Amino acid sequence: DVKVTQSSRYLVKRTGEKVFLECVQDMDHENMFWYRQDPGLGLRLIYFSYDVKMKEKGDIPEGYSVSREKKERFSLILESASTNQTSMYLCASSLPGGFRTYNEQFFGPGTRLTVL
Amino acid sequence: AQSVTQLDSHVSVSEGTPVLLRCNYSSSYSPSLFWYVQHPNKGLQLLLKYTSAATLVKGINGFEAEFKKSETSFHLTKPSAHMSDAAEYFCVVSLVFDMRFGAGTRLTVKP
Repeated sequence: DVKVTQSSRYLVKRTGEKVFLECVQDMDHENMFWYRQDPGLGLRLIYFSYDVKMKEKGDIPEGYSVSREKKERFSLILESASTNQTSMYLCASSLPGGFRTYNEQFFGPGTRLTVL
Repeated sequence: AQSVTQLDSHVSVSEGTPVLLRCNYSSSYSPSLFWYVQHPNKGLQLLLKYTSAATLVKGINGFEAEFKKSETSFHLTKPSAHMSDAAEYFCVVSLVFDMRFGAGTRLTVKP
């Protein structure tokens, strides 16, 4: 089975702190994604990566950055955490899709981040 | 641009009765469509996927969905609800490098 793991299930940080969220997948997937999930808004894409050292902005990249130095690992960085970044963060991975399609994404369990 | 609308934020059914979770989409081309389920404190799990083959798609745990192009709908159904079906369900439309999630429908199953 594909496994996507995230470094923490729960995290509490203070405003202004630098926060690292780590995600590791074990299926040699090319694509990796970071989403945030908020009630009533579904999942919104922050960043995705289609290869090592490659990244693309999603819908809400402001206040976030990412790093992908190895194929299996994709990190989300909050440079200076703010209270409006309190949310559930989900990581996912997938194989490359065909033209005009995505393959299914496999999700980690999520990290619930609280910024005080 | 493409988008997806889940028509109900919350659906409540009794155990053993049918489930219907509604999803409409908007897309310029024929997209791929997915349904994911999220149980409490868990990540999302794929229920089923439509990719322009059969319009009636069968998924895991007895769920199925029908793609209706004329209605731009992809509703999720199950003939008989089980207590373990209580979860949040997300309809997803995907095209090229664009994957859009609906806001989710919370399914409650009453004994």
